[in-house]
Amino acid sequence: GAVVSQHPSRVICKSGTSVKIECRSLDFQATTMFWYRQFPKQSLMLMATSNEGSKATYEQGVEKDKFLINHASLTLSTLTVTSAHPEDSSFYICSANNDNTDTQYFGPGTRLTVL
Amino acid sequence: QKEVEQDPGPLSVPEGAIVSLNCTYSNSAFQYFMWYRQYSRKGPELLMYTYSSGNKEDGRFTAQVDKSSKYISLFIRDSQPSDSATYLCAMANAGKSTFGDGTTLTVKP
Repeated sequence: GAVVSQHPSRVICKSGTSVKIECRSLDFQATTMFWYRQFPKQSLMLMATSNEGSKATYEQGVEKDKFLINHASLTLSTLTVTSAHPEDSSFYICSANNDNTDTQYFGPGTRLTVL
Repeated sequence: QKEVEQDPGPLSVPEGAIVSLNCTYSNSAFQYFMWYRQYSRKGPELLMYTYSSGNKEDGRFTAQVDKSSKYISLFIRDSQPSDSATYLCAMANAGKSTFGDGTTLTVKP
């Protein structure tokens, strides 16, 4: 149990385009989902907290207009990187908080490469 | 000072060794304690989850929590090369988790 899927697993796009990443909790409800960014050999960096039915809470330094988050249901959150640039290339990981155990379960991650 | 401190390593041990990974924390409100394992280019995988002080065992893994000292540990017995990964500790309260920076472990055959 407690599986989180993420799609796509890998995406390569041209500079200036927008990319949408989906995060789904497959077998549990998650009122709260999180989006992280991770550079090679570095720790997880929390970008934003996504709450079902309300606006996401962004960490300091993360542009909310660039990283659009939508949490439309208890099992789905999406992150859209708008007008992507090469510096946005990174490993994006979502997690879903199991409402019953207060434990985060992570998706497999999405590797974004912006050319 | 960070809320959660974790020795980044790297830690290198021979196959079969006992590995001890540790974290300290400062926030006494933390109620849930987790260990995650992350392989390169993958999302973290939940290994152990504990709620109270004491030990919890799962196969070769033992998680230990000492709330009075604000100290948690993960022990790996009979370590295997497949255990080579980055291990993250995490503590949670009220729906929010705080992660350590991770310890990179290499188990050499």
